[in-house]
Amino acid sequence: TQLLEQSPQFLSIQEGENLTVYCNSSSVFSSLQWYRQEPGEGPVLLVTVVTGGEVKKLKRLTFQFGDARKDSSLHITAAQPGDTGLYLCAVLYTGGGNKLTFGTGTQLKVEL
Amino acid sequence: KAGVTQTPRYLIKTRGQQVTLSCSPISGHRSVSWYQQTPGQGLQFLFEYFSETQRNKGNFPGRFSGRQFSNSRSEMNVSTLELGDSALYLCASSLVGRSPLHFGNGTRLTVT
Repeated sequence: TQLLEQSPQFLSIQEGENLTVYCNSSSVFSSLQWYRQEPGEGPVLLVTVVTGGEVKKLKRLTFQFGDARKDSSLHITAAQPGDTGLYLCAVLYTGGGNKLTFGTGTQLKVEL
Repeated sequence: KAGVTQTPRYLIKTRGQQVTLSCSPISGHRSVSWYQQTPGQGLQFLFEYFSETQRNKGNFPGRFSGRQFSNSRSEMNVSTLELGDSALYLCASSLVGRSPLHFGNGTRLTVT
């Protein structure tokens, strides 16, 4: 059983469409991170959410942390081909250090 | 500021051989972590080093090992390679524990 389940696993949409991807768990977290990984590159941190119910915006990307801090969503408005990539949520190990547990990932493709 | 540098970018090895991968963190970063990424298992944590000491370890067999040098550069070694070790190996660095991770672009290892 994966600690962090992401859905959908794959998403192919047309430019200009809106989409939402989800990151779910049965565990409670003190914070949650979202990364984007483009082909041939390492993941890049997009945002960290720390408060239940928190909403953060990064241009056309809106991130929300669930009230109970067990889940999160990423909404993209008017998707562009440049948004194509693998979106990963991740949580830090509570025992200290920088050990991250990643979600299963959502592969997004935005076509012209 | 130079990012995280991983060498080599691509590597092809034969079953039973061993391999050493190298990671140079961002200047000033003292924490280095390693992750394995495969299509089936996703991104999985291998280990983390901080000030030349292993701080966290993932659930991988003892064939996987690493070390960190006094200049924070890190190497990971995989002995007695198996076909299932074929993966993208990612290194990430951070200033100190629990600060944002910066990933390199990885080393793609293929075991034949």
